[in-house]
Amino acid sequence: QLQLQESGPGLVKPSETLSLTCTVSGGSISSSRHYWGWIRQPPGKGLEWIGSIFYSGSTYYNPSLKSRVTISVDTSKNQFSLKLSSVTAADTAVYYCARLDYGDFCPGYWGQGTLVTVSS
Amino acid sequence: QSALTQPASVSGSPGQSITISCSGTRSDVGAYSYVSWLQFYPGKAPKLMIYEVSNRPSGISNRFSGSKSGNTASLTISGLQAEDEADYYCSSYTTISTLVFGTGTKVTVL
Repeated sequence: QLQLQESGPGLVKPSETLSLTCTVSGGSISSSRHYWGWIRQPPGKGLEWIGSIFYSGSTYYNPSLKSRVTISVDTSKNQFSLKLSSVTAADTAVYYCARLDYGDFCPGYWGQGTLVTVSS
Repeated sequence: QSALTQPASVSGSPGQSITISCSGTRSDVGAYSYVSWLQFYPGKAPKLMIYEVSNRPSGISNRFSGSKSGNTASLTISGLQAEDEADYYCSSYTTISTLVFGTGTKVTVL
Protein backbone atom coordinates (compact mmCIF):
# COMPACT_ATOMS: atom_id res chain seq x y z
CA GLN A 1 0.00 0.00 0.00
CA LEU A 2 1.56 3.27 -1.11
CA GLN A 3 1.94 5.84 1.63
CA LEU A 4 3.21 9.41 1.56
CA GLN A 5 4.18 11.33 4.68
CA GLU A 6 5.01 15.02 4.88
CA SER A 7 7.49 16.27 7.46
CA GLY A 8 9.02 19.59 8.39
CA PRO A 9 8.66 22.64 10.65
CA GLY A 10 5.13 23.72 11.45
CA LEU A 11 6.16 27.32 12.02
CA VAL A 12 8.27 29.50 9.72
CA LYS A 13 9.16 33.16 10.15
CA PRO A 14 8.27 35.72 7.47
CA SER A 15 10.96 36.20 4.80
CA GLU A 16 12.52 32.82 5.62
CA THR A 17 12.44 29.60 3.59
CA LEU A 18 9.81 26.91 4.12
CA SER A 19 11.24 23.40 3.78
CA LEU A 20 9.23 20.19 3.69
CA THR A 21 10.06 16.58 2.85
CA CYS A 22 7.78 13.84 1.62
CA THR A 23 8.77 10.25 2.39
CA VAL A 24 7.32 7.61 0.10
CA SER A 25 6.81 4.06 1.35
CA GLY A 26 5.25 1.02 -0.24
CA GLY A 27 6.48 2.02 -3.69
CA SER A 28 9.49 3.40 -5.53
CA ILE A 29 9.94 7.07 -6.24
CA SER A 30 11.94 6.00 -9.30
CA SER A 31 8.80 4.97 -11.14
CA SER A 32 8.70 5.88 -14.82
CA ARG A 33 4.91 6.14 -14.61
CA HIS A 34 4.64 8.87 -12.02
CA TYR A 35 5.52 12.40 -11.06
CA TRP A 36 5.62 13.55 -7.44
CA GLY A 37 4.04 16.82 -6.45
CA TRP A 38 3.26 19.41 -3.81
CA ILE A 39 -0.17 20.96 -3.36
CA ARG A 40 -1.31 23.41 -0.70
CA GLN A 41 -4.56 24.64 0.82
CA PRO A 42 -4.67 27.91 2.78
CA PRO A 43 -7.13 27.90 5.68
CA GLY A 44 -10.68 28.20 4.39
CA LYS A 45 -9.54 28.34 0.77
CA GLY A 46 -9.13 26.03 -2.19
CA LEU A 47 -6.29 23.89 -3.47
CA GLU A 48 -3.24 25.23 -5.28
CA TRP A 49 -0.78 23.06 -7.20
CA ILE A 50 2.79 24.12 -6.39
CA GLY A 51 4.83 21.89 -8.65
CA SER A 52 5.85 18.39 -9.68
CA ILE A 53 9.08 16.43 -10.13
CA PHE A 54 10.08 13.25 -11.99
CA TYR A 55 12.63 10.90 -10.46
CA SER A 56 15.17 12.12 -13.02
CA GLY A 57 14.85 15.62 -11.61
CA SER A 58 12.67 17.11 -14.34
CA THR A 59 10.34 19.69 -12.82
CA TYR A 60 7.19 21.66 -13.57
CA TYR A 61 6.16 24.61 -11.42
CA ASN A 62 3.10 26.78 -10.95
CA PRO A 63 3.95 29.98 -12.85
CA SER A 64 2.69 32.12 -9.97
CA LEU A 65 5.13 30.52 -7.52
CA LYS A 66 7.98 29.56 -9.84
CA SER A 67 10.36 32.33 -8.73
CA ARG A 68 10.24 31.12 -5.10
CA VAL A 69 9.92 27.34 -5.44
CA THR A 70 12.45 24.54 -5.68
CA ILE A 71 11.42 20.89 -5.69
CA SER A 72 14.10 18.22 -5.51
CA VAL A 73 14.23 14.44 -5.32
CA ASP A 74 16.46 11.99 -3.42
CA THR A 75 15.95 8.56 -4.94
CA SER A 76 18.31 6.90 -2.43
CA LYS A 77 16.00 7.91 0.40
CA ASN A 78 12.75 7.59 -1.59
CA GLN A 79 11.99 11.20 -0.73
CA PHE A 80 11.26 14.46 -2.46
CA SER A 81 11.37 17.94 -1.00
CA LEU A 82 9.91 21.42 -1.29
CA LYS A 83 11.60 24.72 -0.62
CA LEU A 84 9.58 27.95 -0.77
CA SER A 85 11.58 31.10 -0.21
CA SER A 86 10.66 34.55 1.08
CA VAL A 87 7.48 33.35 2.74
CA THR A 88 4.71 35.62 3.97
CA ALA A 89 1.51 35.04 5.93
CA ALA A 90 -0.16 34.24 2.59
CA ASP A 91 1.91 31.06 2.44
CA THR A 92 0.25 29.70 5.59
CA ALA A 93 -1.47 26.52 4.46
CA VAL A 94 -1.82 22.78 4.76
CA TYR A 95 0.83 21.37 2.45
CA TYR A 96 0.18 18.02 0.79
CA CYS A 97 2.52 15.78 -1.12
CA ALA A 98 1.04 13.53 -3.78
CA ARG A 99 1.82 11.00 -6.48
CA LEU A 100 0.75 12.20 -9.90
CA ASP A 101 0.30 10.11 -13.02
CA TYR A 102 2.83 10.71 -15.78
CA GLY A 103 1.31 12.57 -18.69
CA ASP A 104 -1.74 14.07 -17.03
CA PHE A 105 -0.73 14.80 -13.41
CA CYS A 106 -3.74 12.92 -12.07
CA PRO A 107 -3.22 13.12 -8.28
CA GLY A 108 -3.87 9.53 -7.35
CA TYR A 109 -2.31 9.22 -3.90
CA TRP A 110 -1.90 11.88 -1.23
CA GLY A 111 -0.30 12.35 2.13
CA GLN A 112 -2.44 13.54 5.03
CA GLY A 113 -1.00 17.02 4.82
CA THR A 114 0.91 19.18 7.26
CA LEU A 115 0.00 22.65 8.45
CA VAL A 116 2.69 25.27 8.04
CA THR A 117 2.11 28.63 9.68
CA VAL A 118 4.10 31.70 8.70
CA SER A 119 4.37 33.98 11.69
CA SER A 120 6.97 35.83 13.69
CA GLN B 1 -3.83 30.13 -14.18
CA SER B 2 -7.33 30.53 -12.77
CA ALA B 3 -9.09 28.02 -10.57
CA LEU B 4 -11.85 25.95 -12.10
CA THR B 5 -15.32 27.03 -10.97
CA GLN B 6 -17.42 24.77 -8.75
CA PRO B 7 -20.57 25.53 -6.74
CA ALA B 8 -19.69 26.25 -3.12
CA SER B 9 -22.24 23.80 -1.80
CA VAL B 10 -24.63 21.10 -2.94
CA SER B 11 -27.04 19.20 -0.76
CA GLY B 12 -29.39 16.28 -1.09
CA SER B 13 -31.39 13.78 0.90
CA PRO B 14 -30.29 10.19 1.39
CA GLY B 15 -31.00 8.16 -1.72
CA GLN B 16 -31.16 11.15 -4.02
CA SER B 17 -28.70 12.04 -6.77
CA ILE B 18 -26.64 15.20 -6.87
CA THR B 19 -24.36 16.66 -9.52
CA ILE B 20 -21.35 18.92 -9.01
CA SER B 21 -20.13 20.97 -11.94
CA CYS B 22 -16.56 22.02 -12.71
CA SER B 23 -16.22 24.80 -15.28
CA GLY B 24 -12.96 25.63 -16.98
CA THR B 25 -11.65 26.77 -20.33
CA ARG B 26 -10.32 25.42 -23.62
CA SER B 27 -6.89 25.44 -22.00
CA ASP B 28 -7.75 22.99 -19.24
CA VAL B 29 -11.03 21.06 -18.91
CA GLY B 30 -11.87 21.50 -22.58
CA ALA B 31 -8.43 20.56 -23.84
CA TYR B 32 -8.08 16.94 -22.74
CA SER B 33 -9.92 14.13 -21.00
CA TYR B 34 -7.74 14.66 -17.97
CA VAL B 35 -10.24 15.70 -15.31
CA SER B 36 -10.11 14.10 -11.87
CA TRP B 37 -12.36 14.33 -8.83
CA LEU B 38 -11.13 14.16 -5.24
CA GLN B 39 -12.90 13.64 -1.92
CA PHE B 40 -11.67 15.44 1.18
CA TYR B 41 -12.49 14.48 4.75
CA PRO B 42 -10.98 16.61 7.56
CA GLY B 43 -7.83 15.06 8.92
CA LYS B 44 -7.63 12.31 6.31
CA ALA B 45 -5.64 11.91 3.14
CA PRO B 46 -7.66 13.06 0.12
CA LYS B 47 -9.03 10.25 -2.04
CA LEU B 48 -9.21 10.02 -5.82
CA MET B 49 -12.79 9.23 -6.84
CA ILE B 50 -12.71 9.72 -10.63
CA TYR B 51 -9.86 10.02 -13.14
CA GLU B 52 -9.79 10.80 -16.86
CA VAL B 53 -13.28 12.31 -16.69
CA SER B 54 -15.24 9.13 -16.04
CA ASN B 55 -13.04 6.31 -14.77
CA ARG B 56 -13.31 4.97 -11.23
CA PRO B 57 -10.22 3.69 -9.40
CA SER B 58 -10.46 0.24 -7.90
CA GLY B 59 -12.57 0.22 -4.77
CA ILE B 60 -14.62 3.33 -5.56
CA SER B 61 -18.37 2.82 -5.48
CA ASN B 62 -20.20 2.86 -8.81
CA ARG B 63 -22.50 5.46 -7.22
CA PHE B 64 -19.85 7.95 -8.29
CA SER B 65 -19.76 8.83 -11.98
CA GLY B 66 -18.16 11.54 -14.07
CA SER B 67 -18.75 13.19 -17.41
CA LYS B 68 -17.66 16.14 -19.49
CA SER B 69 -19.20 18.41 -22.09
CA GLY B 70 -17.07 21.09 -23.65
CA ASN B 71 -15.32 23.08 -20.94
CA THR B 72 -17.44 21.72 -18.08
CA ALA B 73 -17.00 18.47 -16.22
CA SER B 74 -19.46 16.98 -13.76
CA LEU B 75 -19.45 14.54 -10.87
CA THR B 76 -22.68 12.76 -10.05
CA ILE B 77 -23.28 10.94 -6.79
CA SER B 78 -26.29 8.68 -6.97
CA GLY B 79 -28.01 7.00 -4.04
CA LEU B 80 -26.59 9.66 -1.72
CA GLN B 81 -25.38 8.31 1.62
CA ALA B 82 -24.38 9.99 4.87
CA GLU B 83 -20.78 8.94 4.31
CA ASP B 84 -20.70 11.00 1.09
CA GLU B 85 -20.79 14.21 3.11
CA ALA B 86 -17.40 15.74 2.38
CA ASP B 87 -15.64 18.34 0.27
CA TYR B 88 -15.10 17.55 -3.41
CA TYR B 89 -12.56 19.10 -5.74
CA CYS B 90 -12.04 18.69 -9.45
CA SER B 91 -8.64 18.99 -11.09
CA SER B 92 -7.49 19.27 -14.69
CA TYR B 93 -4.26 19.03 -16.60
CA THR B 94 -3.61 22.12 -18.70
CA THR B 95 -2.11 22.90 -22.09
CA ILE B 96 0.96 24.42 -20.40
CA SER B 97 1.72 21.23 -18.44
CA THR B 98 0.37 22.46 -15.13
CA LEU B 99 -2.36 21.22 -12.82
CA VAL B 100 -5.31 23.37 -11.84
CA PHE B 101 -7.92 22.66 -9.18
CA GLY B 102 -11.52 23.62 -8.75
CA THR B 103 -12.77 25.96 -6.06
CA GLY B 104 -14.28 23.08 -4.10
CA THR B 105 -17.81 21.97 -3.25
CA LYS B 106 -19.16 21.04 0.17
CA VAL B 107 -21.66 18.21 -0.10
CA THR B 108 -24.24 18.04 2.65
CA VAL B 109 -26.53 15.09 3.20
CA LEU B 110 -29.76 16.40 4.66
